Parts: sequence; structure tokens; C-alpha cells
Amino acid sequence: DQQVKQNSPSLSVQEGRISILNCDYTNSMFDYFLWYKKYPAEGPTFLISISSIKDKNEDGRFTVFLNKSAKHLSLHIVPSQPGDSAVYFCAASALRTGNQFYFGTGTSLTVIP
Amino acid sequence: DSGVTQTPKHLITATGQRVTLRCSPRSGDLSVYWYQQSLDQGLQFLIQYYNGEERAKGNILERFSAQQFPDLHSELNLSSLELGDSALYFCASSVGGSGANVLTFGAGSRLTVL
Repeated sequence: DQQVKQNSPSLSVQEGRISILNCDYTNSMFDYFLWYKKYPAEGPTFLISISSIKDKNEDGRFTVFLNKSAKHLSLHIVPSQPGDSAVYFCAASALRTGNQFYFGTGTSLTVIP
Repeated sequence: DSGVTQTPKHLITATGQRVTLRCSPRSGDLSVYWYQQSLDQGLQFLIQYYNGEERAKGNILERFSAQQFPDLHSELNLSSLELGDSALYFCASSVGGSGANVLTFGAGSRLTVL
């Protein structure tokens, strides 16, 4: 049972434009969310996180939005750069039950120069 | 370099065989996690250890086992291998075993079962 879903396997965006990656979850107990970026032949690297007490967290060009009622989060990258081309995974955890993170299947982002 | 070291990077073996994947966590991290990524799948959580003790168990098959040693490195043992076990196996580490930790991943071990 996939508790974290990324329904878009791929996304292409022009350089300089906004990239929006989406993630949905089903477990209402999830209260901590992370985004990871993965380049080929490397492990995922942490990008940004958000806890359920917030609805937005920003770090430079990256902003994560959380809509708890819709059980939906999104990652905005503005402006998109060719170096952002990678696979992006969202992950969720229920902090009260430990550190088991559930990952989505990933969205492959291509930023076109 | 994330600081999490996984060996071997690549491994090719036959069905029915047994392999061991090794992970050294980032310095200072006490918790180790194992994830499996099959083709077109997300990262499936297998198991977590914290300071030598099993902390959480996910979708880990009975043919698979893991442990964390006193020096905090971890090994994932996969036995009676099947074709479907072919996957990328990632190890990650974190400082704590619970709470709002960030996982730091290694580069993965790619297992191919022929």
C-alpha cells in the first residue's frame, strides 16, 4: 500500500521558469515531510523539510507547501536551472511512531536550457 | 561524499545465493536504515537500527536479515536470492532514532540476480 504518492513520473520545464512537483499522502498521522533530490549513480540528498505545524517552508529557490486538509504537499523551484534536473522524492513520517520514512516513487525533472 | 559508505557498489550473483551488503554510517550518526529501490518503485523501507538495536521493521522479507555492530556499521544479509531481489539497496543514517531527523543516504549497492 503506497502511502505516499507522486503521480507525475516526469516533468519538463524551461530554464528560468517555475517547477512544481506534487506529492499526496494517505496517512493522516504523518506530520513531518521531506524532499530529496537524486542524481544518477548517487544516493538521494536532502533538500528541504516541513513539519505539520507549518504550511510553508522556504530555502533559497526551493519552497515546500503543505496542505494538511488535502493531504498534499508540493515543491516549488524558482527559477529552475539545468542543474536541478534530477529525480525528486517526497517522504513522510509520523514522528510519534518513530523514524520510519515512507517515500514516493519519484518525479524526474528535466530543466531545458 | 555524503559520509555514508556502502560496499559493494555493484554485485552480480545467481538465484539461490546469499550476499551481504555493508554500510558505514556518517560519523556521529547512531541510526542506520536500509531501503530497497526496485525498478520504477519508490524507496521501500526495510529496517532501522539505532545504536545496535532494531528500532523499526518495514517490508523486509524473512530471507533478509540485518544487524548493527558495536562500531555502528551495519550489514544487510540477503539469502536464497530470487530474480525479484534485483534492486538498488540504499543505506541511510541519522543522528537520532526518532524525532525530526534527516536521513543521509549512501550511494547504494546495485544487486543483480541472474
